Amino acid sequence: RKEVEQDPGPFNVPEGATVAFNCTYSNSASQSFFWYRQDCRKEPKLLMSVYSSGNEDGRFTAQLNRASQYISLLIRDSKLSDSATYLCVVNGGSGGYNKLIFGAGTRLAVHP
Amino acid sequence: GAGVSQSPSNKVTEKGKDVELRCDPISGHTALYWYRQSLGQGLEFLIYFQGNSAPDKSGLPSDRFSAERTGGSVSTLTIQRTQQEDSAVYLCASTQGSGNTIYFGEGSWLTVV
Repeated sequence: RKEVEQDPGPFNVPEGATVAFNCTYSNSASQSFFWYRQDCRKEPKLLMSVYSSGNEDGRFTAQLNRASQYISLLIRDSKLSDSATYLCVVNGGSGGYNKLIFGAGTRLAVHP
Repeated sequence: GAGVSQSPSNKVTEKGKDVELRCDPISGHTALYWYRQSLGQGLEFLIYFQGNSAPDKSGLPSDRFSAERTGGSVSTLTIQRTQQEDSAVYLCASTQGSGNTIYFGEGSWLTVV
């Protein structure tokens, strides 16, 4: 089993749609969780951290379910500019607490 | 500089040659990561440096790969006797510490021909 698993997609949605991504992780001791965004041929950039209580940043909502070891990202009112690959990131991995493990990413394509 | 700086940005090398990739992290960041990303694939962890602690080398794919971090700042990733499967973008990232946001450089795009 991969340490961090994501549905690769692609998710093809029209503008204005709501879309949700899930990510599961294997290490129950993991403490830090993030969503990163990566545009084609660019480096990943932080979208948002994921807190135990859940957090929201504008159209984006992230949630953490420790019992089931999954993280979700909800994007409301999708924009064309949201088209990118969304990477789930978890610390802890099999190599130790400080190792950050990236999922393979979920590709989102928003069309007019 | 303000961000993570990597060089070279692009490198084309012949199979069997050695290459060195450099990363200059954000000033004050104690932790530094190297990742590799092949075309259309996810990020593959290579190595992690934290302060003066022994690096976590668990992701290095073979003994042709090595990395060092001198003076707790600049890091060099060396690939010896490059193979075509080494072609990828090599991403460096730094952070202030565990649990903090990591910031990536723009990557070094390596092509082995």
